[in-house]
Order: sequence, then structure tokens, then C-alpha cells
Amino acid sequence: RKEVEQDPGPFNVPEGATVAFNCTYSNSASQSFFWYRQDCRKEPKLLMSVYSSGNEDGRFTAQLNRASQYISLLIRDSKLSDSATYLCVVNGRGYQKVTFGTGTKLQVIP
Amino acid sequence: GAGVSQSPSNKVTEKGKDVELRCDPISGHTALYWYRQRLGQGLEFLIYFQGNSAPDKSGLPSDRFSAERTGESVSTLTIQRTQQEDSAVYLCASSAPGDGYEQYFGPGTRLTVT
Repeated sequence: RKEVEQDPGPFNVPEGATVAFNCTYSNSASQSFFWYRQDCRKEPKLLMSVYSSGNEDGRFTAQLNRASQYISLLIRDSKLSDSATYLCVVNGRGYQKVTFGTGTKLQVIP
Repeated sequence: GAGVSQSPSNKVTEKGKDVELRCDPISGHTALYWYRQRLGQGLEFLIYFQGNSAPDKSGLPSDRFSAERTGESVSTLTIQRTQQEDSAVYLCASSAPGDGYEQYFGPGTRLTVT
């Protein structure tokens, strides 16, 4: 089983739609979780951290489910500019060693 | 402040030649990572440095790949006897202690092996 797994998509959604991605992880001892965004031919950039109690940043909501070992990202009122690949990141073995999922591609359609 | 920088930004080399890629992390960042990303693919972990600890080399795909880091500063990734399948973008990232492990990425080096 991969350490971090994501549905590669693509998710094609119309503007204004709500879309959600899940990411599962295998290491039950993982402590830190993040969502990164990667635009085409660019480097990944942090979108948001994922806290145990869940957190929201504008149109973006991240949730952690430790019992089922997954994290989620919800995007409301999708914009064309949200089109990107969303990478799930989980800390794995050792201090500060993190593992990236392969990403979920989102395409927001006019 | 200055972010993570990488050089060169683009490198075209002939099959069989050696290449050296450089990464300058953010000052004070103790952790440094190298990743490889082939076109249309996800990030592939290569190697991880944390302070003065022994590096985690578990992601290096073959003994043609090696990396060094001087203290908590610059790192170089060396690929010997390059092959066409080595063509990819090589990304470097650094993170600071106590930052919740947020990684800051450089712009990458696009390597093309002809």
C-alpha cells in the first residue's frame, strides 16, 4: 500500500461548483498534514495545513479523519483560477520527513 | 527574504554525461529535500537531509545518483552517466524546524537528456 494515495482525477467541474478531494495515508502515527497546490509547470506551494479540528480558509476547508486515516479538501464556489493539481502531504517516517501524494488534477470549466 | 534557489534552471546534456544540480535553501532551514518530477507525473522523493544527521537516501533510483549537503547550506545533486529516463524536473525544497514541516520549493531544474 502506498504511504499516501490520491485519486488522480481529473475532476472537471463548472465554475461555482463545490468539489471535494480525499487523500488516504497508511501510517497511523502520522502527525502533520498539508494540502499543496501545483500549477502547470510550476513548483508546489503550500495551500493550507490540516488541523485535527479541521480548518477553513475562505472557500477552502480541510478536514482530518484519523480513525479512517484520510484528509479531505473542499473547495466551494470554484473559480477558473482554482484549476491546478492538489497534492496531499503527510509526514512519514522520522522527524520532518514528509511524503507527497501524486496529486489530484482539478479543471474548472467556464 | 530570499526563497529557495536552484541552478541551472535548464540543462540539456548528452546521454552518458554527468550533471550537477545545485540548490540553495532558505537560510536557517535545517531540512532539505530533493524530488524528481517527470512530465505529467507526481513528485518522486529522492533524498532528504536533516541537519547533521545521516541523509535518508531511500529514494535514490540508482547508484548513478548521489547528493551532498554542506552543513545546513547548499546541496548538490549529481547524476552520473545520464540516461534519457533521467529527463525530468528536479525540485529542491527546504523547511525550518518548528514550522510544522511546511516545505518551500525552488523553481526546479529542467533536465533534458538527449
